[in-house]
Amino acid sequence: GQQVMQIPQYQHVQEGEDFTTYCNSSTTLSNIQWYKQRPGGHPVFLIQLVKSGEVKKQKRLTFQFGEAKKNSSLHITATQTTDVGTYFCAGPQAAGNKLTFGGGTRVLVKP
Amino acid sequence: DSGVTQTPKHLITATGQRVTLRCSPRSGDLSVYWYQQSLDQGLQFLIQYYNGEERAKGNILERFSAQQFPDLHSELNLSSLELGDSALYFCASSVVASGGVTDTQYFGPGTRLTVL
Repeated sequence: GQQVMQIPQYQHVQEGEDFTTYCNSSTTLSNIQWYKQRPGGHPVFLIQLVKSGEVKKQKRLTFQFGEAKKNSSLHITATQTTDVGTYFCAGPQAAGNKLTFGGGTRVLVKP
Repeated sequence: DSGVTQTPKHLITATGQRVTLRCSPRSGDLSVYWYQQSLDQGLQFLIQYYNGEERAKGNILERFSAQQFPDLHSELNLSSLELGDSALYFCASSVVASGGVTDTQYFGPGTRLTVL
């Protein structure tokens, strides 16, 4: 079945630095979604990318969908303590809008 | 606040017992999804219902079952509980999107199940 992998599993970042987390699917995706889960919280939808090569920005967050629509990345610039949490990517399977979530990248920010 | 409610917030029970987790979707959402998240793990999809009918099934154990009622709330039943069933159980809901996009899923606050 479809697999979605994320690397790194953990990301320790100094406050103010940039970092990127990557998402790779074993199959071509029609679109990809990103969610953020704060510690002790629930996943919250961030964005959906649909087109090949699409790039979308949300303030300091830049999301990219690969040309082959099998991978995606999230780049955060000037990391802040509010960025702490786990970032999940998720790709749809064919039927029923079922999403396959990656294992997540857990981001820890050092002040 | 996502608009999805889950009860109870915490549940502590013993091995071998049965529990029911409840979820009320956002107003107007027809789809309900159940996920299991073990400690520091990803989200494992369990099952999806759409307007009362089972739509998709994931890695749901035979000891687990779910249903969606006419008022669209859903219940996840976990029976013959084992220590390994201790986890956060999330419910999510969505509208049905079209045009090549996939539904955005709105997650509830979760139910933390502890099996002792």
